Order: sequence, then C-alpha cells, then structure tokens
Amino acid sequence: DAKTTQPPSMDCAEGRAANLPCNHSTISGNEYVYWYRQIHSQGPQYIIHGLKNNETNEMASLIITEDRKSSTLILPHATLRDTAVYYCIVRVRRNQGGKLIFGQGTELSVKP
Amino acid sequence: DTGVSQNPRHKITKRGQNVTFRCDPISEHNRLYWYRQTLGQGPEFLTYFQNEAQLEKSRLLSDRFSAERPKGSFSTLEIQRTEQGDSAMYLCASSLWGEQPQHFGDGTRLSIL
Repeated sequence: DAKTTQPPSMDCAEGRAANLPCNHSTISGNEYVYWYRQIHSQGPQYIIHGLKNNETNEMASLIITEDRKSSTLILPHATLRDTAVYYCIVRVRRNQGGKLIFGQGTELSVKP
Repeated sequence: DTGVSQNPRHKITKRGQNVTFRCDPISEHNRLYWYRQTLGQGPEFLTYFQNEAQLEKSRLLSDRFSAERPKGSFSTLEIQRTEQGDSAMYLCASSLWGEQPQHFGDGTRLSIL
C-alpha cells in the first residue's frame, strides 16, 4: 500500500487559500488519491479524489503532479469552519476492496 | 437524511460486558466498512462487506469482535467481553463498488469503565 506523508499542522488566515501538501512517492499507476477531512467528534467527510488530472468541485481543488508523486489540496477561500484534520489517502486498488488507510493527517487551523 | 446512520452515538459499559453497534448505510450502497479510531489517531480499517459477504477482516479484529450484514443492508458490530483497550470511536462507511468514495457516519463512541 502506498504511504502518504503530510505536515502535522498548518495555519491559514480566514479568507485566504489553504494549500495542503501530500507526498505519495510510492503510488502505483492505477491508485487514486483521496482527500477527507474530519471535524472534531464527527466522521470523516469526503472532499475530492483524482487519478492523474487535476480535479475541482464545490469544496476544493486537487492538483496532482505529473509524476503523481505528490499532490496539493486547495481550499480557495478558507473559513473558520474549515478547521479540521485533513487526510490524504492513496486508495488500495479495486480488487483489494478499496479500504482506506489513514495516516496522521494535517491539522489545519483557520484563524480570523 | 440519506447519509450513513450509526446507533447508538455513545455507549458506556463495564469491562466484560457485550456491546452491539448498528450501521445503516446509504441506500443502494453495496459496500460497507467498519473502522476504529482512538484519540489522536486516524481511523483504522476493521472489516468490510460487499452485499452480505464479509470479504476482508483486519488482524485488529480479534475473536471477540464479530460483524454481520445479514441482508446486505444494515450491519452490526458486536464486541464480546469488552476490555479497556476497546474504548474508541467505531466508524461505519458505505460506498458503491469501484472507485466511488466512501461516506462515513458520525460513529459510535464506546467508553469502557
């Protein structure tokens, strides 16, 4: 299973873009990168996922490098409600059930 | 509410008692997952079902743990003879097959006295 490396914590000013990096240098060709976040006392919330191309949805953008060894989750205009632990996960391939292997994540603090 | 539902939200019990948790997945999701999360750590995979078949179990799932999904809809996780180390948040997630994302419930927090 490909491992991911994330900084343990980051700060961001409210209204600014939050850029959360993730390294996954051992990712295999058909493994996806998923991002989840977890607000205290709640279950993880799905944000976005991608394989090769950059992806954007109503919550965030995902930028994956061409060699796929790293990615960045971008929250374009962070609010106080975005304060959470963000997990970058490489998902085990389909025929292995697709379980998620969580690391320690990045604790993002959005400050006024 | 069409999300994943878990009951109860909190469970306090004495060491040695049996406990059972229930998970109702999103309708028509054929995959269902159980995870456990201790304080300060990310969730850890326990087991998963495709429809009613339990296809994978983590070595974290000792003999005291059993999970079922009898009709391929809701699932139960039972812990027998609870121990202090079982104190954790138990999370359930569901998904369609393939690369579709898993959606999590808000978990059942178990506290062992």
